[in-house]
Amino acid sequence: AQTVTQSQPEMSVQEAETVTLSCTYDTSESNYYLFWYKQPPSRQMILVIRQEAYKQQNATENRFSVNFQKAAKSFSLKISDSQLGDTAMYFCAFTSRDDKIIFGKGTRLHILP
Amino acid sequence: NAGVTQTPKFQVLKTGQSMTLQCAQDMNHNSMYWYRQDPGMGLRLIYYSASEGTTDKGEVPNGYNVSRLNKREFSLRLESAAPSQTSVYFCASSVGLGQQDEQYFGPGTRLTVT
Repeated sequence: AQTVTQSQPEMSVQEAETVTLSCTYDTSESNYYLFWYKQPPSRQMILVIRQEAYKQQNATENRFSVNFQKAAKSFSLKISDSQLGDTAMYFCAFTSRDDKIIFGKGTRLHILP
Repeated sequence: NAGVTQTPKFQVLKTGQSMTLQCAQDMNHNSMYWYRQDPGMGLRLIYYSASEGTTDKGEVPNGYNVSRLNKREFSLRLESAAPSQTSVYFCASSVGLGQQDEQYFGPGTRLTVT
């Protein structure tokens, strides 16, 4: 069965610093999709970034980028120049062919002024 | 587009009462999902519907039932509420299962069972 593990329950960084959130997963599939979702205090979940497993190039969305290591089954999220509005829960998620998405337990990120 | 809408936003029930949480999406998505979120537990899938006319159990289905009323609507019913069902409930939808398309989430329902 597929699993997604986020080993950092909570993190704090100063505003403008760079922070990396870790995620590992386990699967026997060769093609799949990985996602990072953000849940701010307002509770509304929104997609931050996605990665297709067969694409070797790491996805980037403005200040958000991923380090996708397929062999190690690792998918970390890097937030550069962190802002107060980045304070949120971040969920790593995985889906593969014809299957439902699986979420990790989340990392609570605090950006400190 | 309203996206994914959920009603109600808040609800307080007494143990043993029943209620139905409503969810609707206007994005013509095939798949819909119900999650519960508890502190430290992340999102746990209760039930999902891969397509209109089908429903399947997720990780924590006990105490819940669902109905995929049509392509737009997916309701979650608590027949006899228990304090352990106090949680925040999220509905979500996506184009389909196992695809690169993201899931879209509703704003959530905070349910308290006393």
